[in-house]
Amino acid sequence: SQKIEQNSEALNIQEGKTATLTCNYTNYSPAYLQWYRQDPGRGPVFLLLIRENEKEKRKERLKVTFDTTLKQSLFHITASQPADSATYLCALAPTSGTYKYIFGTGTRLKVLA
Amino acid sequence: EAGVVQSPRYKIIEKKQPVAFWCNPISGHNTLYWYLQNLGQGPELLIRYENEEAVDDSQLPKDRFSAERLKGVDSTLKIQPAELGDSAVYLCASSPSPAFDEQFFGPGTRLTVL
Repeated sequence: SQKIEQNSEALNIQEGKTATLTCNYTNYSPAYLQWYRQDPGRGPVFLLLIRENEKEKRKERLKVTFDTTLKQSLFHITASQPADSATYLCALAPTSGTYKYIFGTGTRLKVLA
Repeated sequence: EAGVVQSPRYKIIEKKQPVAFWCNPISGHNTLYWYLQNLGQGPELLIRYENEEAVDDSQLPKDRFSAERLKGVDSTLKIQPAELGDSAVYLCASSPSPAFDEQFFGPGTRLTVL
Protein backbone atom coordinates (compact mmCIF):
# COMPACT_ATOMS: atom_id res chain seq x y z
CA SER A 1 0.00 0.00 0.00
CA GLN A 2 1.04 3.61 -0.44
CA LYS A 3 2.21 5.36 2.70
CA ILE A 4 3.94 8.48 3.89
CA GLU A 5 5.51 8.16 7.32
CA GLN A 6 6.77 10.85 9.63
CA ASN A 7 7.90 10.37 13.23
CA SER A 8 4.68 10.31 15.21
CA GLU A 9 6.52 11.00 18.44
CA ALA A 10 7.41 14.56 19.29
CA LEU A 11 11.01 15.62 18.84
CA ASN A 12 12.52 17.66 21.67
CA ILE A 13 15.86 19.36 21.10
CA GLN A 14 17.94 21.98 22.82
CA GLU A 15 18.07 25.51 21.45
CA GLY A 16 20.98 26.01 19.09
CA LYS A 17 21.11 22.39 17.97
CA THR A 18 20.14 21.07 14.56
CA ALA A 19 16.72 19.46 14.30
CA THR A 20 16.34 16.68 11.74
CA LEU A 21 12.90 15.45 10.71
CA THR A 22 12.27 12.44 8.50
CA CYS A 23 9.69 11.76 5.81
CA ASN A 24 9.65 8.23 4.39
CA TYR A 25 7.34 7.04 1.65
CA THR A 26 6.52 3.71 0.03
CA ASN A 27 5.02 2.84 -3.34
CA TYR A 28 5.20 6.38 -4.66
CA SER A 29 7.47 7.91 -7.28
CA PRO A 30 6.96 11.54 -6.37
CA ALA A 31 7.86 14.33 -8.70
CA TYR A 32 7.87 16.92 -5.91
CA LEU A 33 7.99 16.93 -2.16
CA GLN A 34 6.98 19.87 0.00
CA TRP A 35 7.54 20.75 3.62
CA TYR A 36 5.07 22.82 5.61
CA ARG A 37 4.98 24.21 9.11
CA GLN A 38 1.73 24.19 11.11
CA ASP A 39 1.12 25.99 14.38
CA PRO A 40 -1.81 25.05 16.66
CA GLY A 41 -5.11 26.41 15.39
CA ARG A 42 -3.65 27.62 12.10
CA GLY A 43 -3.31 26.34 8.56
CA PRO A 44 -0.04 24.93 7.22
CA VAL A 45 2.53 27.39 5.91
CA PHE A 46 4.75 26.41 2.99
CA LEU A 47 8.48 26.22 3.64
CA LEU A 48 10.28 24.45 0.80
CA LEU A 49 9.69 22.33 -2.30
CA ILE A 50 12.24 19.91 -3.70
CA ARG A 51 11.99 18.16 -7.05
CA GLU A 52 12.92 14.58 -7.90
CA ASN A 53 16.03 15.69 -9.78
CA GLU A 54 17.28 17.81 -6.87
CA LYS A 55 19.30 16.30 -4.06
CA GLU A 56 19.26 19.25 -1.70
CA LYS A 57 17.65 22.63 -1.26
CA ARG A 58 18.38 25.36 1.27
CA LYS A 59 16.55 28.42 2.56
CA GLU A 60 18.11 30.40 5.39
CA ARG A 61 18.39 27.95 8.32
CA LEU A 62 16.40 25.26 6.55
CA LYS A 63 17.74 22.42 4.42
CA VAL A 64 15.83 19.66 2.68
CA THR A 65 17.29 16.56 1.07
CA PHE A 66 15.53 14.13 -1.23
CA ASP A 67 16.80 10.60 -1.79
CA THR A 68 14.61 8.81 -4.32
CA THR A 69 16.57 5.57 -3.85
CA LEU A 70 15.94 5.47 -0.11
CA LYS A 71 12.49 6.99 -0.66
CA GLN A 72 13.21 9.53 2.01
CA SER A 73 13.36 13.26 2.58
CA LEU A 74 15.17 14.85 5.51
CA PHE A 75 14.31 18.30 6.81
CA HIS A 76 16.93 20.11 8.86
CA ILE A 77 16.66 23.27 10.95
CA THR A 78 20.07 24.53 11.99
CA ALA A 79 20.65 26.76 15.03
CA SER A 80 17.13 25.93 16.20
CA GLN A 81 15.16 28.45 18.27
CA PRO A 82 12.12 28.08 20.54
CA ALA A 83 10.14 29.91 17.84
CA ASP A 84 10.76 26.93 15.55
CA SER A 85 8.52 24.81 17.78
CA ALA A 86 5.63 23.61 15.62
CA THR A 87 4.37 20.61 13.67
CA TYR A 88 6.16 19.98 10.39
CA LEU A 89 4.34 18.23 7.56
CA CYS A 90 5.75 16.70 4.42
CA ALA A 91 3.59 16.38 1.32
CA LEU A 92 4.28 14.73 -2.01
CA ALA A 93 2.83 14.80 -5.46
CA PRO A 94 2.57 11.11 -6.40
CA THR A 95 3.67 11.51 -10.00
CA SER A 96 4.73 14.19 -12.41
CA GLY A 97 1.77 16.21 -13.61
CA THR A 98 -0.34 15.15 -10.64
CA TYR A 99 -1.23 18.02 -8.38
CA LYS A 100 -2.98 15.98 -5.74
CA TYR A 101 -0.65 16.33 -2.79
CA ILE A 102 -0.61 13.58 -0.19
CA PHE A 103 0.35 14.75 3.30
CA GLY A 104 2.16 12.90 6.05
CA THR A 105 0.88 12.94 9.62
CA GLY A 106 3.46 15.50 10.72
CA THR A 107 6.13 15.59 13.41
CA ARG A 108 5.83 17.89 16.39
CA LEU A 109 9.06 19.69 17.17
CA LYS A 110 9.74 21.38 20.48
CA VAL A 111 12.88 23.47 20.88
CA LEU A 112 13.83 23.89 24.51
CA ALA A 113 15.37 27.15 25.69
CA GLU B 1 -1.97 41.17 0.49
CA ALA B 2 -4.81 39.40 2.27
CA GLY B 3 -4.46 35.68 2.77
CA VAL B 4 -7.04 32.96 2.32
CA VAL B 5 -10.14 33.82 4.34
CA GLN B 6 -12.39 31.18 5.84
CA SER B 7 -15.56 31.45 7.87
CA PRO B 8 -16.76 30.56 10.32
CA ARG B 9 -13.67 29.71 12.34
CA TYR B 10 -15.65 27.42 14.64
CA LYS B 11 -18.96 25.63 14.27
CA ILE B 12 -20.81 23.35 16.65
CA ILE B 13 -23.87 21.52 15.40
CA GLU B 14 -26.05 18.57 16.28
CA LYS B 15 -25.73 15.45 14.14
CA LYS B 16 -28.03 15.30 11.14
CA GLN B 17 -27.97 19.09 10.81
CA PRO B 18 -26.59 20.79 7.69
CA VAL B 19 -23.48 22.97 7.80
CA ALA B 20 -21.65 25.15 5.29
CA PHE B 21 -18.14 26.55 5.16
CA TRP B 22 -17.02 29.48 3.08
CA CYS B 23 -13.63 30.23 1.58
CA ASN B 24 -12.31 33.30 -0.22
CA PRO B 25 -8.95 32.54 -1.87
CA ILE B 26 -6.14 34.96 -2.53
CA SER B 27 -7.04 37.30 -5.37
CA GLY B 28 -5.95 35.92 -8.74
CA HIS B 29 -5.53 32.35 -7.52
CA ASN B 30 -7.28 30.08 -9.99
CA THR B 31 -6.71 26.85 -8.06
CA LEU B 32 -8.67 26.20 -4.90
CA TYR B 33 -8.47 23.16 -2.59
CA TRP B 34 -10.64 21.91 0.24
CA TYR B 35 -8.93 19.62 2.77
CA LEU B 36 -10.11 17.79 5.85
CA GLN B 37 -7.70 17.48 8.79
CA ASN B 38 -8.36 15.16 11.70
CA LEU B 39 -6.54 15.64 14.99
CA GLY B 40 -2.96 14.42 14.78
CA GLN B 41 -3.21 13.80 11.04
CA GLY B 42 -2.16 15.61 7.90
CA PRO B 43 -4.64 17.31 5.59
CA GLU B 44 -6.55 15.06 3.20
CA LEU B 45 -7.74 16.46 -0.10
CA LEU B 46 -11.50 16.57 -0.61
CA ILE B 47 -11.76 18.54 -3.85
CA ARG B 48 -9.66 20.70 -6.16
CA TYR B 49 -11.02 23.44 -8.42
CA GLU B 50 -9.46 25.02 -11.45
CA ASN B 51 -11.48 28.23 -11.81
CA GLU B 52 -15.07 27.05 -11.48
CA GLU B 53 -14.41 23.45 -12.57
CA ALA B 54 -13.99 20.66 -10.03
CA VAL B 55 -11.07 18.75 -11.55
CA ASP B 56 -10.53 16.27 -8.71
CA ASP B 57 -13.38 15.35 -6.38
CA SER B 58 -12.58 11.66 -6.06
CA GLN B 59 -12.15 11.95 -2.28
CA LEU B 60 -15.35 13.88 -1.66
CA PRO B 61 -18.09 11.75 -0.02
CA LYS B 62 -20.75 12.78 -2.46
CA ASP B 63 -23.64 11.27 -0.55
CA ARG B 64 -23.44 14.04 2.04
CA PHE B 65 -20.78 16.51 0.91
CA SER B 66 -21.10 19.06 -1.85
CA ALA B 67 -19.03 22.00 -2.99
CA GLU B 68 -19.35 24.85 -5.42
CA ARG B 69 -17.25 27.63 -6.85
CA LEU B 70 -19.76 29.35 -9.08
CA LYS B 71 -17.78 32.33 -10.37
CA GLY B 72 -14.36 30.82 -10.00
CA VAL B 73 -13.56 32.91 -6.96
CA ASP B 74 -14.96 32.05 -3.54
CA SER B 75 -16.19 28.59 -2.67
CA THR B 76 -18.62 26.86 -0.33
CA LEU B 77 -18.35 23.37 1.11
CA LYS B 78 -21.53 21.86 2.52
CA ILE B 79 -22.30 18.79 4.59
CA GLN B 80 -25.87 17.55 4.80
CA PRO B 81 -26.58 15.77 7.05
CA ALA B 82 -23.57 15.96 9.34
CA GLU B 83 -22.41 12.87 11.21
CA LEU B 84 -20.34 12.55 14.37
CA GLY B 85 -17.33 11.42 12.32
CA ASP B 86 -17.33 14.68 10.38
CA SER B 87 -15.86 16.50 13.37
CA ALA B 88 -12.55 17.85 12.07
CA VAL B 89 -10.86 20.97 10.75
CA TYR B 90 -11.79 21.92 7.21
CA LEU B 91 -8.99 23.77 5.45
CA CYS B 92 -9.16 25.80 2.28
CA ALA B 93 -6.03 26.49 0.23
CA SER B 94 -5.33 28.32 -3.00
CA SER B 95 -2.53 28.79 -5.51
CA PRO B 96 -2.09 30.72 -8.75
CA SER B 97 -2.04 27.43 -10.68
CA PRO B 98 -1.79 23.73 -9.83
CA ALA B 99 1.85 23.67 -10.90
CA PHE B 100 2.79 26.47 -8.51
CA ASP B 101 5.32 25.47 -5.90
CA GLU B 102 3.18 26.13 -2.87
CA GLN B 103 -0.35 26.15 -1.56
CA PHE B 104 -1.55 29.01 0.61
CA PHE B 105 -3.76 27.76 3.41
CA GLY B 106 -6.48 29.53 5.33
CA PRO B 107 -6.87 29.18 9.11
CA GLY B 108 -9.50 26.46 8.79
CA THR B 109 -12.95 25.89 10.23
CA ARG B 110 -13.13 23.63 13.25
CA LEU B 111 -16.36 21.62 13.11
CA THR B 112 -17.73 19.80 16.14
CA VAL B 113 -20.70 17.51 15.60
CA LEU B 114 -22.55 16.54 18.79
